[in-house]
Amino acid sequence: GNSVTQMEGPVTLSEEAFLTINCTYTATGYPSLFWYVQYPGEGLQLLLKATKADDKGSNKGFEATYRKETTSFHLEKGSVQVSDSAVYFCALLNSGGYQKVTFGTGTKLQVIP
Amino acid sequence: DGGITQSPKYLFRKEGQNVTLSCEQNLNHDAMYWYRQDPGQGLRLIYYSQIVNDFQKGDIAEGYSVSREKKESFPLTVTSAQKNPTAFYLCASSIVSTGDTGELFFGEGSRLTVL
Repeated sequence: GNSVTQMEGPVTLSEEAFLTINCTYTATGYPSLFWYVQYPGEGLQLLLKATKADDKGSNKGFEATYRKETTSFHLEKGSVQVSDSAVYFCALLNSGGYQKVTFGTGTKLQVIP
Repeated sequence: DGGITQSPKYLFRKEGQNVTLSCEQNLNHDAMYWYRQDPGQGLRLIYYSQIVNDFQKGDIAEGYSVSREKKESFPLTVTSAQKNPTAFYLCASSIVSTGDTGELFFGEGSRLTVL
């Protein structure tokens, strides 16, 4: 079956530090990959996505590249801000069939001034 | 503004009581979903529906029930059979069409606490 594995948190960084949150997946076929972000007390919102191998998703300074050879979709940001403090979820949607999204367990990021 | 509205935001329940969580969307999306979120476990799918009057069990459907009588609405009932109902519940919707990448749109969630 499908699965997503994320690095465990929490991750604590100083403002302007470089961020990497690792995500690897297991899936048959050619899934679409997503990063969602959840701010405290809120629902999730899409941060970025990639639909095929070697695609790079980007938004708000965050980037992730779909690496089929390593089945990875690591999230990066060059300089984090306090406002980036949130929980980040990696997710996949397998091609074909009903749209059932598989989520990772989430990684909490705390950015301190 | 288009979006998904969940209510109530906070709900307290005594053991043995059924409760119903509301989810309404005005995005004209065909598919709707209910997820449960627990600390350290990510999101787990309870039920989903791709069209009106049809729904399917997800990974953890036991102790829950849903209905989909209208495209806009997908209420979730947490029954007394659910042994550990205290959690954060998230409703989501998505377009279902050829070529769509499957982005989910989420409500702000309902936090249920069993006393």
